[in-house]
Amino acid sequence: QSALTQPASVSGSPGQSITISCTGSSSDVGSYNLVSWYQQHPGKAPKLMVYEGTKRPSAVSNRFSGSKSGNTASLTISGLQAEDEADYYCCSYAGSSTFVFGGGTKLTVL
Amino acid sequence: EVQLVQSGAEVKKPGEPLKISCKGSGYSFSSHWIGWVRQMPGKGLEWMGIIYPGDSDTRYSPSFQGQVTISADKSISTTYLQWSSLKASDTAMYYCATLMTGNQWDYWGQGTLVTVSS
Repeated sequence: QSALTQPASVSGSPGQSITISCTGSSSDVGSYNLVSWYQQHPGKAPKLMVYEGTKRPSAVSNRFSGSKSGNTASLTISGLQAEDEADYYCCSYAGSSTFVFGGGTKLTVL
Repeated sequence: EVQLVQSGAEVKKPGEPLKISCKGSGYSFSSHWIGWVRQMPGKGLEWMGIIYPGDSDTRYSPSFQGQVTISADKSISTTYLQWSSLKASDTAMYYCATLMTGNQWDYWGQGTLVTVSS
């Protein structure tokens, strides 16, 4: 099981949109619509932001959206706000009750 | 309200054993998978393993198989992560998290910091 590939960092200005990619393989991202995304602020536990590729928990802002094409999933944050500055991780189900996380992406709001 | 409350920070020496805990409340603990996630200092999240408290069915990441033991006591709604002999490289924050609504980590504990140093 290799970690999913995410860019180390992305940045954007307030009000802009950014997209974070998450590339896996045909054994994980490509085989299942079971990619989830997590936001982690420094010193805090991760928080679920998107699940099953495109779905949002009820308490999560609709500025967060997910998509998938082939072996790559993406998280888009629109209308960037200062509070969005955090680390973001993707995770995919990989069959047989196993999971794999991405390496994480640091989002900087300029 | 779903809550996962983890045991406090630990400072141990190499070679010592350790067992940390995570107590769930606000949901049917026995009926949902719960797992452990490691985060080494300044690094990303790593899935370690999951357990179904109802029958103690346990699955491990290949990276952690044989290195740790995950268990659960459904009578007290608690899951455990244990080491028989700690190494310095086990220094990390460890989170428990549930898989309640499907194949995503929906509720998280606050984390337990384990420091292993001579």
